[in-house]
Amino acid sequence: GQQLNQSPQSMFIQEGEDVSMNCTSSSIFNTWLWYKQDPGEGPVLLIALYKAGELTSNGRLTAQFGITRKDSFLNISASIPSDVGIYFCAGLFNAGGTSYGKLTFGQGTILTVHP
Amino acid sequence: EPEVTQTPSHQVTQMGQEVILRCVPISNHLYFYWYRQILGQKVEFLVSFYNNEISEKSEIFDDQFSVERPDGSNFTLKIRSTKLEDSAMYFCASKRQADQPQHFGDGTRLSIL
Repeated sequence: GQQLNQSPQSMFIQEGEDVSMNCTSSSIFNTWLWYKQDPGEGPVLLIALYKAGELTSNGRLTAQFGITRKDSFLNISASIPSDVGIYFCAGLFNAGGTSYGKLTFGQGTILTVHP
Repeated sequence: EPEVTQTPSHQVTQMGQEVILRCVPISNHLYFYWYRQILGQKVEFLVSFYNNEISEKSEIFDDQFSVERPDGSNFTLKIRSTKLEDSAMYFCASKRQADQPQHFGDGTRLSIL
């Protein structure tokens, strides 16, 4: 099956620093999604990317859909304590123009922000 | 903002017992999903449901699992005879259209004793 490799596994940063994490795959995806998960809660969508090369921002978050369709990165600028959580990338492969939406998730990046 | 809601938030069940996890997807959504997350691991796809039938399922979703949309609002996951390894967070997700991202509920923590 499709596998996503997400790195780094964890990050410890100071408030105000920028953060970068990425996902790579051996196979292509049509859609890349980035979710954040807080303890005891479900994944919350941060950014959705639909086209190769697409660069999208959501406040302090910026994500890009790699040109090869096999990778994506997420940047967080000027981190704040509430950015703490687990960040997951997820890929969707749409074969033949139809998709029921099975998402393949990365292993997650645990972000800790020290005030 | 509309949300996917799941009940109960925590379910404790004896091994071998049947369990039903309940979800109320966002009201105008048409595609429904169950995912599982074992403690400390990534989220794994179980099953997708569209047009009143299963559209795709993973190898995890064996004969012990079933899903149902008994009315216009609920979407349930049943595990017939639970095993210890079924202990996990179970997330329901839904979306309106094929090209839209999925929205997740807060999950049900299933603990098998």
